[in-house]
Amino acid sequence: DIQMTQSPSSLSASVGDRVTITCRASQIISSYLNWYQQKPGKAPKLLIYGASSLQSGVPSRFSGSGSGTDFTLTISSLQPEDFATYYCQQSFSTPFYTFGQGTKLEIK
Amino acid sequence: EVQLVESGGTLIQPGGSLRLSCAASGFTVSDNFMNWVRQAPGKGLEWVSVLYSGGSTYYADSVKGRFTISRDNSKNTLYLQMHSLSAEDTGVYYCARAEMTSRLAYDYWGQGTPVTVSS
Repeated sequence: DIQMTQSPSSLSASVGDRVTITCRASQIISSYLNWYQQKPGKAPKLLIYGASSLQSGVPSRFSGSGSGTDFTLTISSLQPEDFATYYCQQSFSTPFYTFGQGTKLEIK
Repeated sequence: EVQLVESGGTLIQPGGSLRLSCAASGFTVSDNFMNWVRQAPGKGLEWVSVLYSGGSTYYADSVKGRFTISRDNSKNTLYLQMHSLSAEDTGVYYCARAEMTSRLAYDYWGQGTPVTVSS
């Protein structure tokens, strides 16, 4: 199985900050990497697919980059509604997709 | 509008069986790769099972032999039949669509249905 490791596990930031979350795969996954946002009590929401493609309707302050084993999700200027938990997911090892453990983004 | 609505989650005793449903609207279940993903209380996301448009099915090792994924094309509904439930199966169960145009990322999710396995 491909293991996905996110860092940090939690992060405190302020509105307007630029934030970066990283995700590392245990083996090369090309660009088969997706990012989701989950708010308490809600279903996850797709933000980025294919490492860098912005899902329709997602604000442009979200961006993704990386290839191979190392990936990043960047929020260019944090908004109050962005405080949530973020998960990466590999979609290389079809169908056994695996998620990272999550990064909880909290208000400083 | 694409919508997924899960139902069937409840409190059930260890060793019991349960069937979850995921009613879809706005698209055809049988044309897509449909997944079940679960989340234990306070934990992360765990992929459980997938049903391909062609009918192939796959399961996580943790549920293989106990869970069965299926669909009813006439009702445009996805199911997850669960047997031999244990406390480790407790959590919120989500159905999610994997869409080709998003490189099989999960572009739509249901609201989730909670399953609690406890005596």
